[in-house]
Amino acid sequence: DQQVKQNSPSLSVQEGRISILNCDYTNSMFDYFLWYKKYPAEGPTFLISISSIKDKNEDGRFTVFLNKSAKHLSLHIVPSQPGDSAVYFCAASGSNTGNQFYFGTGTSLTVIP
Amino acid sequence: KAGVTQTPRYLIKTRGQQVTLSCSPISGHRSVSWYQQTPGQGLQFLFEYFSETQRNKGNFPGRFSGRQFSNSRSEMNVSTLELGDSALYLCASSSGREAGAEKLFFGSGTQLSVL
Repeated sequence: DQQVKQNSPSLSVQEGRISILNCDYTNSMFDYFLWYKKYPAEGPTFLISISSIKDKNEDGRFTVFLNKSAKHLSLHIVPSQPGDSAVYFCAASGSNTGNQFYFGTGTSLTVIP
Repeated sequence: KAGVTQTPRYLIKTRGQQVTLSCSPISGHRSVSWYQQTPGQGLQFLFEYFSETQRNKGNFPGRFSGRQFSNSRSEMNVSTLELGDSALYLCASSSGREAGAEKLFFGSGTQLSVL
């Protein structure tokens, strides 16, 4: 049972434009969300987080939006750079999941120079 | 500060064998979690250890086990290997003080191939 879903396996964007990566979840108890970036043969690298008390969190070129009623979050990258090409995972946890995070299946982002 | 260290980076085993993977968390972190990543799948939670105690367990068979030592280093063991166990095994550490509300720091993983 996939509680966190990333329905777009891949995304291509021109350099300088906005990249929008989407993530949906089913468990209404989730209240903390993370985005990770992963290169092949490396571990995931933390990008940005958001807790359910907020609907937006920004860090440089990265902004995460949370829509609790729709159980949806998105990661915006502006402007996109070729070095952003990687697989992006969203993850969620809740007060009833301990330190267990549920991950989506990832979206492979390609930024075209 | 050194990051999360996983050894070995690559392993090749045959069906029926057993394997032990090692993880050293970031200094000061007391929580170590293990995840399995297979092609096309997200990261699947195996278990989490905090202060030498298993605090949470995912939905994996009993062939998958782990432990944590007093210095917070952790090992994961898989017995009676099956072809489907071929995967990237990732270890993540965190302070563990705010379970479920703090980011995880991942190691580079151990790529296990079962032939």
